Amino acid sequence: QKEVEQDPGPLSVPEGAIVSLNCTYSNSAFQYFMWYRQYSRKGPELLMYTYSSGNKEDGRFTAQVDKSSKYISLFIRDSQPSDSATYLCAIDMFSGGYNKLIFGAGTRLAVHP
Amino acid sequence: DAGVTQSPTHLIKTRGQQVTLRCSPKSGHDTVSWYQQALGQGPQFIFQYYEEEERQRGNFPDRFSGHQFPNYSSELNVNALLLGDSALYLCASSPKPYNEQFFGPGTRLTVL
Repeated sequence: QKEVEQDPGPLSVPEGAIVSLNCTYSNSAFQYFMWYRQYSRKGPELLMYTYSSGNKEDGRFTAQVDKSSKYISLFIRDSQPSDSATYLCAIDMFSGGYNKLIFGAGTRLAVHP
Repeated sequence: DAGVTQSPTHLIKTRGQQVTLRCSPKSGHDTVSWYQQALGQGPQFIFQYYEEEERQRGNFPDRFSGHQFPNYSSELNVNALLLGDSALYLCASSPKPYNEQFFGPGTRLTVL
């Protein structure tokens, strides 16, 4: 079983739609959860960073963590064509004072005008 | 403030050859991590360097090695290239080993 599972899509929505992106993870000890956005031919950029359970909101983006079901979500409100990218969920895994990121496969999102 | 920079942008090699990729971290960052991203997949952790030493390593063979220099820049070396090594190689830097990682644009390696 992979540590982080993510539906690769692709997902195509009209401009203005609410987008829901989801991941599941296997290890209940994970506590730090992240969403990255990656445009074509670019490196990933951090969108949201969440610790433990609950919601975190930043503008049109909301990250949600449900530790009881080991499920993480990213919601995008009023989606724009500029949101078209691949969205990667990730776990920030700490061990002995060092960290590494464990990524899902990424979901390709296309927002059409 | 320049972010993380990587060179070269693209590289084409043949099977069996060796390759060296380079990374300069963001200003003020002393920790460098390397990731491999195959087409259609998420990045996979290769290793992390701090204070010029490899501090942790992912599930990659010894053909993958690295180095960190006193100015915190880093190199990733891959020996005996295989077709399966074709991927985008991402470098990420952070202020300290346990901080948020900032990614560079990557080096796209094609092995023929």
